[in-house]
Amino acid sequence: SQTIHQWPATLVQPVGSPLSLECTVEGTSNPNLYWYRQAAGRGLQLLFYSVGIGQISSEVPQNLSASRPQDRQFILSSKKLLLSDSGFYLCAWSPTPAWNEQFFGPGTRLTVL
Amino acid sequence: AQSVSQHNHHVILSEAASLELGCNYSYGGTVNLFWYVQYPGQHLQLLLKYFSGDPLVKGIKGFEAEFIKSKFSFNLRKPSVQWSDTAEYFCALSSGGSYIPTFGRGTSLIVHP
Repeated sequence: SQTIHQWPATLVQPVGSPLSLECTVEGTSNPNLYWYRQAAGRGLQLLFYSVGIGQISSEVPQNLSASRPQDRQFILSSKKLLLSDSGFYLCAWSPTPAWNEQFFGPGTRLTVL
Repeated sequence: AQSVSQHNHHVILSEAASLELGCNYSYGGTVNLFWYVQYPGQHLQLLLKYFSGDPLVKGIKGFEAEFIKSKFSFNLRKPSVQWSDTAEYFCALSSGGSYIPTFGRGTSLIVHP
């Protein structure tokens, strides 16, 4: 069966520090991968999605970037964190074709101080 | 562009009450519709989905939703809620050929025992 992992589960970082959140999927190949930020009362904001290795699409201009170095690995990064980057980050995958349901990871709670 | 509206942001019910959460969408073509649920401390997970066929779809834990194309709606229902249904509920839409799903803002449901 397929599983999705995210780490770390929680992270506290100072303003201006770099960020790297990792997401990996097991048990499937060539998944579509997504990064979301979830804010209370505001639903899920899609940040990035990827349909293949090295293929990244950005939905919202951010202080963040994403990379997909391997088929089942998706990384969310920042060179310098802002206070406004605090939030709950979710990784998700969906099988091809892309209109299928999504499977979500456990999320990372990021606090920027 | 596609969009999803969830009109009820917060719903509070007593156990055994009936539930209906509204979801309306905007898109002129063929759609796939989903309801996801996030129980406290758990992953966001699929509750039910509609791709085609019978517009009344049944999901896990006694939930159902009806796709009414003429009303652009996909409301979620449960005849008798339980305390364990306390969760955040998200309606989502994807359209044929799109890698980008659209989520509603979510509805927070609290069920009092």
